[in-house]
Amino acid sequence: DAGITQSPRHKVTETGTPVTLRCHQTENHRYMYWYRQDPGHGLRLIHYSYGVKDTDKGEVSDGYSVSRSKTEDFLLTLESATSSQTSVYFCAISEWVTSTDTQYFGPGTRLTVL
Amino acid sequence: DAKTTQPNSMESNEEEPVHLPCNHSTISGTDYIHWYRQLPSQGPEYVIHGLTSNVNNRMASLAIAEDRKSSTLILHRATLRDAAVYYCILRDNAQGAQKLVFGQGTRLTINP
Repeated sequence: DAGITQSPRHKVTETGTPVTLRCHQTENHRYMYWYRQDPGHGLRLIHYSYGVKDTDKGEVSDGYSVSRSKTEDFLLTLESATSSQTSVYFCAISEWVTSTDTQYFGPGTRLTVL
Repeated sequence: DAKTTQPNSMESNEEEPVHLPCNHSTISGTDYIHWYRQLPSQGPEYVIHGLTSNVNNRMASLAIAEDRKSSTLILHRATLRDAAVYYCILRDNAQGAQKLVFGQGTRLTINP
């Protein structure tokens, strides 16, 4: 199994509070991704990173920011959490971004915003 | 992004083969066909991928139609652990391949 951990695994917070989710990898892969998964929508890309300090937006980036100061860590921040951000968040990593590369996923973080 | 169509759900029995279909009638010549699966309460995991020829690995086989407009993931001998949602995904270098575009997938139930 790829060495990917996510923390926390579960979090309950209140509307308006800031939340940071952490993804940590031990594979030294260059590319890292944050997805969210909601019923009826499948997984959708929020942000991704193609190197330290290099990030870009995905299809559902509004309300989220990311940072990557080290190869192994990719942080997802909800500046002011809203109930619509209640979801399961998955981090993924890949060594390359070709049409044949594999993405490896973490175990997920279940976030509930009350 | 090229679209894929899969049945919402399928059911099979333990130790029997399972054929999971995927239609991708708008596939382009450079699109690779990938399959991922998601076990309950886990993140997705890679299963297999191919371009034109049929592919085999330790987890499954991928049969690709000659016109590439459809493909079938084959689990040769299903176990209870194979119960999951299976996603068929097209990937193309032209789109940068930065993301996996997940559809709704097929929820596979395995009966003991």
